[in-house]
Amino acid sequence: AQSVTQLDSQVPVFEEAPVELRCNYSSSVSVYLFWYVQYPNQGLQLLLKYLSGSTLVKGINGFEAEFNKSQTSFHLRKPSVHISDTAEYFCAVRPQRSYIPTFGRGTSLIVHP
Amino acid sequence: NAGVTQTPKFRVLKTGQSMTLLCAQDMNHEYMYWYRQDPGMGLRLIHYSVGEGTTAKGEVPDGYNVSRLKKQNFLLGLESAAPSQTSVYFCASSLTSIETQYFGPGTRLLVL
Repeated sequence: AQSVTQLDSQVPVFEEAPVELRCNYSSSVSVYLFWYVQYPNQGLQLLLKYLSGSTLVKGINGFEAEFNKSQTSFHLRKPSVHISDTAEYFCAVRPQRSYIPTFGRGTSLIVHP
Repeated sequence: NAGVTQTPKFRVLKTGQSMTLLCAQDMNHEYMYWYRQDPGMGLRLIHYSVGEGTTAKGEVPDGYNVSRLKKQNFLLGLESAAPSQTSVYFCASSLTSIETQYFGPGTRLLVL
């Protein structure tokens, strides 16, 4: 079985500042890794995913994440946030031989003007 | 393209009642999924389908049934609703198992 820990339930930040949302996972098998964003009263939207290859993954809206296999982490970063980035962010892992993902509990990113 | 749509948007049920949630996608996707989202938790997969006529259990299938008679539709049924099934239900679809999942807007269900 796998598990996902999002280390911060809430991250407040000022507009135009950099941000990092942390995600650690545990799994005994090889996994795919995902970051999703959820705006209020909406479904989830994929930001980026790591399947294989380069450990630095670039996604939409200027976000990027780095897969660190030795530390079993997949932290999400953005160099300069905007008010519109205020949302809930979910990290998820899925074993490569399974269709069933495990999601973290989410991190609420709050961008202040 | 409408993408992924869900019907209804809101529903209130009494314990023991039944209902069906409908998910429709117009992207010709093979894979479809039903998730539930509870406060302070990430999504949990209820059931999924890898193609028309197929269904499989996810992480939390108990109390739910599904059907995929048409490629574009994925139905989630609650035969006898319980308060523990109060949740927000999301449907998603994807072209393949590793392609992007596109989510619907959700159905908010309250079971009294």
